[in-house]
Amino acid sequence: AQSVTQLDSQVPVFEEAPVELRCNYSSSVSVYLFWYVQYPNQGLQLLLKYLSGSTLVKGINGFEAEFNKSQTSFHLRKPSVHISDTAEYFCAVSADSNYQLIWGAGTKLIIKP
Amino acid sequence: DADVTQTPRNRITKTGKRIMLECSQTKGHDRMYWYRQDPGLGLRLIYYSFDVKDINKGEISDGYSVSRQAQAKFSLSLESAIPNQTALYFCATSAWDRGADTQYFGPGTRLTVL
Repeated sequence: AQSVTQLDSQVPVFEEAPVELRCNYSSSVSVYLFWYVQYPNQGLQLLLKYLSGSTLVKGINGFEAEFNKSQTSFHLRKPSVHISDTAEYFCAVSADSNYQLIWGAGTKLIIKP
Repeated sequence: DADVTQTPRNRITKTGKRIMLECSQTKGHDRMYWYRQDPGLGLRLIYYSFDVKDINKGEISDGYSVSRQAQAKFSLSLESAIPNQTALYFCATSAWDRGADTQYFGPGTRLTVL
């Protein structure tokens, strides 16, 4: 069975500073990895995904993530955050034949002015 | 117009009442899902449907039922609502892409059961 751990429930960071949101997964088979963002009072929006190929994946709004198979991680990064990045970020993994997504508990990104 | 719509967006009801949440999509996807979101728990899958005739229970289906009326419509019902079903409910659709499904979400329905 797969599982996803988002190591931080909240990450406060100053505006224009870099940020990394951590995601680790466990799986005995090959995985597909996703990051979704949920802005306040909105649904979830796909930020980026890793399906195959290059381990560095670029997404919308300047975010990127790197798939590290040996460390079973898929951390999300942005070199300079803006107040508009205030949101909750969810990591998810898919690996079984039912194509279900297994979700992390989410990380709230708090931007300090 | 939004690709995945949910109605109502907010609903307050009383314990024991029957509630239906509706989801419609214009993305043309065969697969549809219902999730609930609770603070600190992420998203948990209630039911999913791969086509009109294929409906499957998810992680937390007890107390819920669904109906796939058409490719574009997937409804979630709470036959007798209870307070611990107070949550944010999301509908999603998915598309096959290089061996994996990518899911697209509606705006959510905030349900409060008193």
